[in-house]
Amino acid sequence: GESVGLHLPTLSVQEGDNSIINCAYSNSASDYFIWYKQESGKGPQFIIDIRSNMDKRQGQRVTVLLNKTVKHLSLQIAATQPGDSAVYFCAEKIPLGAGTASKLTFGTGTRLQVTL
Amino acid sequence: DAGVTQSPTHLIKTRGQQVTLRCSPKSGHDTVSWYQQALGQGPQFIFQYYEEEERQRGNFPDRFSGHQFPNYSSELNVNALLLGDSALYLCASSLDRGVYEQYFGPGTRLTVT
Repeated sequence: GESVGLHLPTLSVQEGDNSIINCAYSNSASDYFIWYKQESGKGPQFIIDIRSNMDKRQGQRVTVLLNKTVKHLSLQIAATQPGDSAVYFCAEKIPLGAGTASKLTFGTGTRLQVTL
Repeated sequence: DAGVTQSPTHLIKTRGQQVTLRCSPKSGHDTVSWYQQALGQGPQFIFQYYEEEERQRGNFPDRFSGHQFPNYSSELNVNALLLGDSALYLCASSLDRGVYEQYFGPGTRLTVT
């Protein structure tokens, strides 16, 4: 399949360990953030989201932490599995003028490699 | 429930040619956004269509244009192709009424030679 992110930062973790992927965002006005997982040859897949009025949100094996003071997001994956190997992007929702219209601005991405 | 579909999967074009990419949104979604993803980078917003009109555009030249049809499907057209237009083109659909999550299609890989 197509390779995404040939020159991205890489995080290598052993199967069963916890993974932490970090992201800095730029827009203080952003009120919603999403983590996406992108496997080779596929489009980004939604993992978990968080609104700016929250500091932490948990899903199944994943937790997102938001620190608005330093504009920082992190994605924690518990008990990392080989199927978690992919490129992970954080995205912030930027309003497009009035109303509900919005776009996503993506970070540069991190490649997660899970070793056996 | 069908997800977002895109066609074609892969495409090879020559500099100066024109290309049309197609997207069908997730069932029930009325808003389509297009993104360009160069190798090794995150997706970059091109534009968004809602109610058959371009609602907002990112930092892309007028060579990039689009259309949305009454059934909410969309096309992305790129004229006068440049080598730098080689990328994965992603379509994302969403529901305008306050549901934030955008669902992405698998993308069209465009190679310009």
